[in-house]
Amino acid sequence: GAVVSQHPSRVICKSGTSVKIECRSLDFQATTMFWYRQFPKQSLMLMATSNEGSKATYEQGVEKDKFLINHASLTLSTLTVTSAHPEDSSFYICSARERGTIGQPQHFGDGTRLSIL
Amino acid sequence: AQSVTQLDSHVSVSEGTPVLLRCNYSSSYSPSLFWYVQHPNKGLQLLLKYTSAATLVKGINGFEAEFKKSETSFHLTKPSAHMSDAAEYFCVVSGLSGNTPLVFGKGTRLSVIA
Repeated sequence: GAVVSQHPSRVICKSGTSVKIECRSLDFQATTMFWYRQFPKQSLMLMATSNEGSKATYEQGVEKDKFLINHASLTLSTLTVTSAHPEDSSFYICSARERGTIGQPQHFGDGTRLSIL
Repeated sequence: AQSVTQLDSHVSVSEGTPVLLRCNYSSSYSPSLFWYVQHPNKGLQLLLKYTSAATLVKGINGFEAEFKKSETSFHLTKPSAHMSDAAEYFCVVSGLSGNTPLVFGKGTRLSVIA
């Protein structure tokens, strides 16, 4: 089955550090990937839609200069949290949809637990 | 516009008893619907999907769901709960195109009591 690998699974770092999270589709091509943020005991909140070879589409209220997204290939999207602060601590999850599969399920990574001290 | 309503934020059942997690949807066209499960500090795993074929959908781990257009419902059931079923469950409706995101319900936390 389709697999999405997200790395790292956990990051603990100091305030002011920039953190990069990778999302890879291992056995399929994904023209579109999605980045979510999840607060404790809540549902997933879409942050941005990442399209291969073009700029990401950010949801209202998400700072594009804070959360940099790069989708340079059909199998890799990265989310960089720039100058992270404690309020950025959260669980970040990516997902990918196989190219040409409208209406089919997305495949999710295992998430990244980001803790900013 | 599409929306998903999970009617219960928390469901608690005894091990070996049936599970019912309720979901109602709203969509202006024939939707694709999914149930995902999330264990603590993990991503989401697909349980099952409805994509306009059979209305009774069987998924993994003994779960199934029935699409009822007249009731705009897609409830998740399992005949007999297992301790390992304790997790967060999300009912999700698909976007209209490949570039549109999923629409998530708020989730239902399932507790299984020994």
